[in-house]
Amino acid sequence: AQSVTQLGSHVSVSEGALVLLRCNYSSSVPPYLFWYVQYPNQGLQLLLKYTTGATLVKGINGFEAEFKKSETSFHLTKPSAHMSDAAEYFCAVSDGTGGADGLTFGKGTHLIIQP
Amino acid sequence: DSGVTQTPKHLITATGQRVTLRCSPRSGDLSVYWYQQSLDQGLQFLIQYYNGEERAKGNILERFSAQQFPDLHSELNLSSLELGDSALYFCASSRGDRGPTYEQYFGPGTRLTVT
Repeated sequence: AQSVTQLGSHVSVSEGALVLLRCNYSSSVPPYLFWYVQYPNQGLQLLLKYTTGATLVKGINGFEAEFKKSETSFHLTKPSAHMSDAAEYFCAVSDGTGGADGLTFGKGTHLIIQP
Repeated sequence: DSGVTQTPKHLITATGQRVTLRCSPRSGDLSVYWYQQSLDQGLQFLIQYYNGEERAKGNILERFSAQQFPDLHSELNLSSLELGDSALYFCASSRGDRGPTYEQYFGPGTRLTVT
């Protein structure tokens, strides 16, 4: 069974500061990993994903994440926070090799941007 | 806009009733997934269909059922509704269900309120 742990239900950073949202996963097989963002009263938007290949992946809106197998982590970063980044962020894992399953999500991290 | 459409946007109904939620996947996507998002349970995978056939089951209650039609749209049927079924229900779609290009695109959701 897979699981995802997102450290910190709320993270607050100043505008222009580094954003770091933590995600650790548990999977018995090589995982596919995803970060999604959810703005109030909207659906989930895919920020970036890791399936195979390069472990540092770049996504939309200046976000990137690094897959570290030894640490079972997939932390999300952005060098400089913008007010528009305020939202809920979800890390998710899928059993990529098996394929036939849905995503297992973390509980989410609410990102607050201080002016 | 992800290209996934869901109707209705909001649904208010009484306990014991039955409702049907509808989802149209992105053009060309064969897989449809249903998720439930609630405050206490977070985002949970319910069920997946691939090209008309059930492919994977998650935490779906026996009172809930789904199907995918030949035109690839999907419906989620919720019956004998309870107060605890109040939640956001998301549909997502993907081209396949595995491989380096695998990713799920989410619709805007249907907010179900059971009174």
